[in-house]
Amino acid sequence: DTAVSQTPKYLVTQMGNDKSIKCEQNLGHDTMYWYKQDSKKFLKIMFSYNNKELIINETVPNRFSPKSPDKAHLNLHINSLELGDSAVYFCASSQTNNSPLHFGNGTRLTVT
Amino acid sequence: AQRVTQPEKLLSVFKGAPVELKCNYSYSGSPELFWYVQYSRQRLQLLLRHISRESIKGFTADLNKGETSFHLKKPFAQEEDSAMYYCALIYGNQFYFGTGTSLTVIP
Repeated sequence: DTAVSQTPKYLVTQMGNDKSIKCEQNLGHDTMYWYKQDSKKFLKIMFSYNNKELIINETVPNRFSPKSPDKAHLNLHINSLELGDSAVYFCASSQTNNSPLHFGNGTRLTVT
Repeated sequence: AQRVTQPEKLLSVFKGAPVELKCNYSYSGSPELFWYVQYSRQRLQLLLRHISRESIKGFTADLNKGETSFHLKKPFAQEEDSAMYYCALIYGNQFYFGTGTSLTVIP
């Protein structure tokens, strides 16, 4: 009964590959997010999305794209993976745009 | 623009000593501030929300609008408090996180 779940937990892949990370929340929240935590533990928002609006952090390369099949899911697709994409990616959700965030356990992506 | 500043990247205290993790923010309106904690290789969890004015796990944080600060405090640190702490601000319907402070409580 995990509130925000991500799969896979670990992902090791080679440069140039395309990969996806899945996220599901069972909290009935309206807004979902993707965050990137780099090796220095800096946490940066990549996307926020509800059924009305996708907000993209302008620093995120367009190789990254969120896909939301429904309100409970927000998947992250990454094309042409690069070494610098190695990080921990956290999915999160919130009831509204101004509510506390609930995070998933993270996906540790390693690009070799 | 940097909206949340955590000046200390690393902080070490001895068990039983008081601890204060600093957070300053830049925001002209009425901010809504949070503290999140991340234990080793775990998810970020909400620790405190300033509007709640609660004490969670012995931690408190007071919003000081004059100093634009929201420092996290605990009078007696415990080993299990060792973790990464993030201060966060909601602005324009977006969460902005500080760079985090890694707290180590020395036994």
